[in-house]
Amino acid sequence: EAGVVQSPRYKIIEKKQPVAFWCNPISGHNTLYWYLQNLGQGPELLIRYENEEAVDDSQLPKDRFSAERLKGVDSTLKIQPAELGDSAVYLCASSLGTANNEQFFGPGTRLTVL
Amino acid sequence: AQSVTQPDIHITVSEGASLELRCNYSYGATPYLFWYVQSPGQGLQLLLKYFSGDTLVQGIKGFEAEFKRSQSSFNLRKPSVHWSDAAEYFCAVALSGGYNKLIFGAGTRLAVHP
Repeated sequence: EAGVVQSPRYKIIEKKQPVAFWCNPISGHNTLYWYLQNLGQGPELLIRYENEEAVDDSQLPKDRFSAERLKGVDSTLKIQPAELGDSAVYLCASSLGTANNEQFFGPGTRLTVL
Repeated sequence: AQSVTQPDIHITVSEGASLELRCNYSYGATPYLFWYVQSPGQGLQLLLKYFSGDTLVQGIKGFEAEFKRSQSSFNLRKPSVHWSDAAEYFCAVALSGGYNKLIFGAGTRLAVHP
């Protein structure tokens, strides 16, 4: 069974440029999460989807971050414009449901903003 | 608010030695508790979890953890460390009875000397 797929694995951009990350969850997983992991820190939840609905986006900085999960499968996380402080690893995870279900994590996208 | 503290940023052990990684949480009720491992360039992998019942839980790769309510702790142990265990380890807590909104600690980086 394929795991959570993320692309690109690495991205280097200039500040003020836009950037997008893509995530393909495990087949059949209706819950999808985006996490931000700063250097030397644990992941922090940005947004959670149940199918195509964003049910928890309280930690998403909505002035520059946006996300979508069209058709309830793949998801895209976008930053526009990127700032130096956005340099981090962006992790995607998926699970079968919510409570008590293990979250499976992708390898992440490492973003460097110059 | 819930929080997780991993007091040790870095730990170095010799191969074959025993290991204990510390984790303390702050939460009003009994939370769901998790330990994840992250190898370089890899996503987080679940080692073990505690929801209820026996306070000593067994996980994959020979790891175990013990929940101690009186100490608000969930320490991870392994009797004999292998070089392949070198990685970053994250303790996480989730609200019991709700969905798995994971709150992660800052992580402990484990180095293994031959």
